[in-house]
Amino acid sequence: DGGITQSPKYLFRKEGQNVTLSCEQNLNHDAMYWYRQDPGQGLRLIYYSQIVNDFQKGDIAEGYSVSREKKESFPLTVTSAQKNPTAFYLCASSPRQGLDTEAFFGQGTRLTVV
Amino acid sequence: AQSVTQLGSHVSVSEGALVLLRCNYSSSVPPYLFWYVQYPNQGLQLLLKYTTGATLVKGINGFEAEFKKSETSFHLTKPSAHMSDAAEYFCAVSDSGGSNYKLTFGKGTLLTVNP
Repeated sequence: DGGITQSPKYLFRKEGQNVTLSCEQNLNHDAMYWYRQDPGQGLRLIYYSQIVNDFQKGDIAEGYSVSREKKESFPLTVTSAQKNPTAFYLCASSPRQGLDTEAFFGQGTRLTVV
Repeated sequence: AQSVTQLGSHVSVSEGALVLLRCNYSSSVPPYLFWYVQYPNQGLQLLLKYTTGATLVKGINGFEAEFKKSETSFHLTKPSAHMSDAAEYFCAVSDSGGSNYKLTFGKGTLLTVNP
């Protein structure tokens, strides 16, 4: 079955630690995205990538880093520089570049700093 | 940059009543608009999208939305609410910066359906 897999579903991190969230897709999509969701804030774009080995900062990139070494993988690292990392993180992908193209979402990772 | 505003962070209806969720957009060019639904602790699922052509768009689960350029609106409706419609709904607009494309989301509207 094709889809987007995010792991883990729940993640706990101690303050000052880096943590990496996994996102894998087998849809053969070119574009991939990371969004952060907080209650009442909607979805805010962290990073996005249209092709392998290329990515762009979104609206709230500070304290985050990404890589795109393979078409199917787009991991997100939450660094210790991110002041308030507790949130629900959503990965998405879309089949091609274009204004009319919708995004397909994974099931999310809930990160909690303890 | 394009943006969307969802009016009402929480809407409550009775089962069988009309559902109306409001979305207004800000765009200097013809917009491409989307409605997504999110159930608790899950990802987002596409309900419908407007690109070009017919201004009344039908989606899944009996939802539809009408693009009104004169009102810069793209409100989501369903004639008769069902308990299973309880979820959070997001309006989004497609935006581009050069050759890069991305979706910009509203803050969401939580729909509660009362028996």
